[in-house]
Amino acid sequence: DQQVKQNSPSLSVQEGRISILNCDYTNSMFDYFLWYKKYPAEGPTFLISISSIKDKNEDGRFTVFLNKSAKHLSLHIVPSQPGDSAVYFCAASEGWDTGNQFYFGTGTSLTVIP
Amino acid sequence: KAGVTQTPRYLIKTRGQQVTLSCSPISGHRSVSWYQQTPGQGLQFLFEYFSETQRNKGNFPGRFSGRQFSNSRSEMNVSTLELGDSALYLCASSEGLAGGLGTQYFGPGTRLTVL
Repeated sequence: DQQVKQNSPSLSVQEGRISILNCDYTNSMFDYFLWYKKYPAEGPTFLISISSIKDKNEDGRFTVFLNKSAKHLSLHIVPSQPGDSAVYFCAASEGWDTGNQFYFGTGTSLTVIP
Repeated sequence: KAGVTQTPRYLIKTRGQQVTLSCSPISGHRSVSWYQQTPGQGLQFLFEYFSETQRNKGNFPGRFSGRQFSNSRSEMNVSTLELGDSALYLCASSEGLAGGLGTQYFGPGTRLTVL
């Protein structure tokens, strides 16, 4: 049973435009969320996180929005660059400070077209 | 500091065989987590070791096992391989338990193909 879902397997965006990657979860106890980026033949790298006490977290071109009532989070990349082309995974956990495991989505492959 | 290393990078086995994968964490990191990545299921958590003790375990059969040594290096073993075990196996290290702060650092993975 997939507790974290990324329903769009792929997304194509023109360079300079906004990329919006979406993630839905089913467990209302999740209160810490991460986004990872993965290039081919490499392991995932941490991108940005958000805890449930916030509804927005921004880091440069990357912003994550959390809508707890909808159990939905999204990652916005503005402006998108060709180097952003990668697979993006969202992950969720119950209690960020208790060592609980993370549940991952299946990933969204982003292609930024020059 | 050197990153997380995994050996071997590629492995081909046949059904019924067993396999051992190795992960060396970043120096000073005490936690090693293992993940299985497949196209259909994405990243799935296998288990986490911290200070030689298994702290968390995902929903995988007992054929999947692991251990951690005193130098924090970790091995993962899969016995009686099945075709469905073909996947990219990633390990990640962190200073503390992996549940917090997004500070896991991933290795490049071991690509296992079961024929």
